[in-house]
Amino acid sequence: EVQLVESGGGLVKPGGSLRLSCAVSGFTFRSYSMNWVRQAPGKGLEWVSSIGGTGSYIYYGASVKGRFTISRDNAKNSLYLQMNSLRAEDTAVYYCARGDFPVGSTCLDYWGQGALVTVSS
Amino acid sequence: QSVLTQPPSVSAAPGQKVTISCSGSSSNIGNNYVSWYQQLPGTAPKLLIYDNDNRPSGIPDRFSGSKSGTSATLGITGLQTGDEADYYCATWDHSLSVWVFGGGTKLTVL
Repeated sequence: EVQLVESGGGLVKPGGSLRLSCAVSGFTFRSYSMNWVRQAPGKGLEWVSSIGGTGSYIYYGASVKGRFTISRDNAKNSLYLQMNSLRAEDTAVYYCARGDFPVGSTCLDYWGQGALVTVSS
Repeated sequence: QSVLTQPPSVSAAPGQKVTISCSGSSSNIGNNYVSWYQQLPGTAPKLLIYDNDNRPSGIPDRFSGSKSGTSATLGITGLQTGDEADYYCATWDHSLSVWVFGGGTKLTVL
């Protein structure tokens, strides 16, 4: 059974940092791209970042570029999102989601349950 | 303002059919596969349709997808109260090198 479990969410002050993790199981992790997608309270889905199966490509959304860093450890079956210089508008539930291919995914076929990040003083 | 445009809401009676549109451009829908996601209240999104018109295992055939040019459509027949959810379309935008989502459509089954 494919499982994705996020952790590391919480309350952080504006300008602070937080690192999210996503532990996966039930599939060969290195064979799939991985993504972070967020959802602000009462709002729609917003893609944040993608990383290829071997880490060969990385993309970021405009709103987080230069502040967030995606990474993965294929030996530990884990995906990460390092979030720096956090702003109030980064407050959201952050989902990790699997791409259906290691490169050039056409859908996000499995999602975690989400981790809430609240940026507030 | 989302790159992909969806109606904010749709509604229909139980047993009826509803369609949800998703409009984009040549840099996204026009040249890439579209996927659809269902988000039931308080839960994570779930893949409903992939590669424009394919259903993952376990998704009933009441759900269907289609694509024409720079637009895509999700169809749901035999509506049930359990179908009340937010529905999102998504695709890769090769000009922006980003995944783009529609703003979401709230389905109400009256």
